[in-house]
Amino acid sequence: GDSVTQMEGPVTLSEEAFLTINCTYTATGYPSLFWYVQYPGEGLQLLLKATKADDKGSNKGFEATYRKETTSFHLEKGSVQVSDSAVYFCALSDSGNEKLTFGTGTRLTIIP
Amino acid sequence: NAGVTQTPKFQVLKTGQSMTLQCAQDMNHNSMYWYRQDPGMGLRLIYYSASEGTTDKGEVPNGYNVSRLNKREFSLRLESAAPSQTSVYFCATLSPAETQYFGPGTRLLVL
Repeated sequence: GDSVTQMEGPVTLSEEAFLTINCTYTATGYPSLFWYVQYPGEGLQLLLKATKADDKGSNKGFEATYRKETTSFHLEKGSVQVSDSAVYFCALSDSGNEKLTFGTGTRLTIIP
Repeated sequence: NAGVTQTPKFQVLKTGQSMTLQCAQDMNHNSMYWYRQDPGMGLRLIYYSASEGTTDKGEVPNGYNVSRLNKREFSLRLESAAPSQTSVYFCATLSPAETQYFGPGTRLLVL
């Protein structure tokens, strides 16, 4: 079945540091890939997505590239801010399937 | 435009009590979902509904029932609550562009 594996947290970085959160997936079809973010006390919200190989999703300075050859969708940001502190979830939606499969989440804390 | 709303925000139950978590959406989406979120386990799908009048089991359906009353509303019922059901529950919808929209969550504590 489908699965998503993302790097264990928590991750703590200083403000303006470079961020990478790794995500790899297993899917039977041609999935769409997503990153969701959850701020404290809130529900998840879509951060970015990519629907086919080599697509790059981007939003709020975050980027992730759909790499079919390595089955990966790593999240990156060049210079993090304290306001980026949140839990980040990688997810996939396999073709024709209305259910999303989520990773376990990575908690990110940015210190001033 | 409220998006996805959930009630209550917080609830404390005793073992064996029953309750219904309510979810409503005003985005006219067909598909709706109930998840639970537990530390270190991410989101796990309890039930989902692809359209009004249909429901299907997800990964962890035991101990829960659902009802898709109409296109807007999707409720989750715990008939006899157990401490293992202490969790944060999220309702979500799915847009035609494959984006899920989440409610703010219901924090449930079962003593």
